[in-house]
Amino acid sequence: QSVLTQPPSASGTPGQRVTISCSGSSSNIGSNTVNWYQQLPGTAPKLLIYSNNQRPSGVPDRFSGSKSGTSASLAISGLQSEDEADYYCAAWDDSLNGPGVVFGGGTKLTVL
Amino acid sequence: QVTLKESGPVLVKPTETLTLTCTVSGFSLSNARMGVSWIRQPPGKALEWLAHIFSNDEKSYSTSLKSRLTISKDTSKSQVVLTMTNMDPVDTATYYCARTVDVIGRLLDYWGQGTLVTVSS
Repeated sequence: QSVLTQPPSASGTPGQRVTISCSGSSSNIGSNTVNWYQQLPGTAPKLLIYSNNQRPSGVPDRFSGSKSGTSASLAISGLQSEDEADYYCAAWDDSLNGPGVVFGGGTKLTVL
Repeated sequence: QVTLKESGPVLVKPTETLTLTCTVSGFSLSNARMGVSWIRQPPGKALEWLAHIFSNDEKSYSTSLKSRLTISKDTSKSQVVLTMTNMDPVDTATYYCARTVDVIGRLLDYWGQGTLVTVSS
């Protein structure tokens, strides 16, 4: 299973606000920044949020990120049908067993 | 603009060695604090980081796959190569390469389109 824990699914109606959580540990989220990726069906992941709460150019401000301790969250406000996708959190892990990038298991967002 | 493209076989047999190439453009593999990661995604499953290599030749591998992976780069060709030995059907996945910048942590900011590799006899 994945090192970071995400709910497998989330849903909302158009216009609603939804949040997706990501839980980790002191060796990853607790000591490093969190990034979020959006994967539309049949496409490669796209960077959505970096450094906990920064949006790359072109990402709507409806998307926001936050981090507290060993957990992080992605919030999507004003939900739109095109937001239906899989969302993944990621962070660097400083584990003594072997450092590397760790991902969450992904959250499938359904727009009802 | 930054682009990455994966290439390699679509089908490999069990026990064979997989060799994948990532060809990059829009940035140089010699840029400071910049590199390339490989990530895979089995059908219907989550992303799994495999390895990265940076401009200073720093390499890091997934602990669980370290014995099977080798990553290298050819800066003059703008290519990063990943080899994975002793392939098994559970290694069937879409393999992605992504630019990795070591400025704000290790950030995978641009991804290739991915290449689906099926392991079957």
